Amino acid sequence: AQSVSQHNHHVILSEAASLELGCNYSYGGTVNLFWYVQYPGQHLQLLLKYFSGDPLVKGIKGFEAEFIKSKFSFNLRKPSVQWSDTAEYFCAVTYGGSQGNLIFGKGTKLSVKP
Amino acid sequence: GAVVSQHPSRVICKSGTSVKIECRSLDFQATTMFWYRQFPKQSLMLMATSNEGSKATYEQGVEKDKFLINHASLTLSTLTVTSAHPEDSSFYICSASRDRINTEAFFGQGTRLTVV
Repeated sequence: AQSVSQHNHHVILSEAASLELGCNYSYGGTVNLFWYVQYPGQHLQLLLKYFSGDPLVKGIKGFEAEFIKSKFSFNLRKPSVQWSDTAEYFCAVTYGGSQGNLIFGKGTKLSVKP
Repeated sequence: GAVVSQHPSRVICKSGTSVKIECRSLDFQATTMFWYRQFPKQSLMLMATSNEGSKATYEQGVEKDKFLINHASLTLSTLTVTSAHPEDSSFYICSASRDRINTEAFFGQGTRLTVV
């Protein structure tokens, strides 16, 4: 079955630390990949997405993600986190093009200590 | 930017009653709205897709008679949980799209439903 795995349920970092959140998806042909963020009490927002082209994708707020096809991975990175990055992060995939259903990972809660 | 508002953000109801959740696109016309459900420590699961003016398409395993979806206008979709039971307690999230592509959809803030 098509699925998305996020390796960490909860990550705790100090400010200025580097961040990498893992995301792996099951094989299923053509994929589109997404990272969403949900700040406390707010709605899900799109951080970045990959459809094709350069596998290193830059998103908002200094986040980036790298699509590694051979590893079925789309890890999210940020060189230096801030307290305001405290949120829950969801990786999501569609199979078969952008009109496929979004399949979400379970999410990773990031807590950044000031 | 596109804004989707969900109401209420939190609701507690008695077992056996029905609860209606509204999803509104505030500054754009949403041809398609999507309803998701999230259990604690689980991923968002798509429940159904509704297109304005037509019947919703439910995902496998979702009871359409229990989760009634109405998308009567281009800015409003409602999800009614009928005869709610404690196992229906969950976090329900909607998203809205100008077209039928859910990857271009904008999310509401979610509704926490607790059935007691």
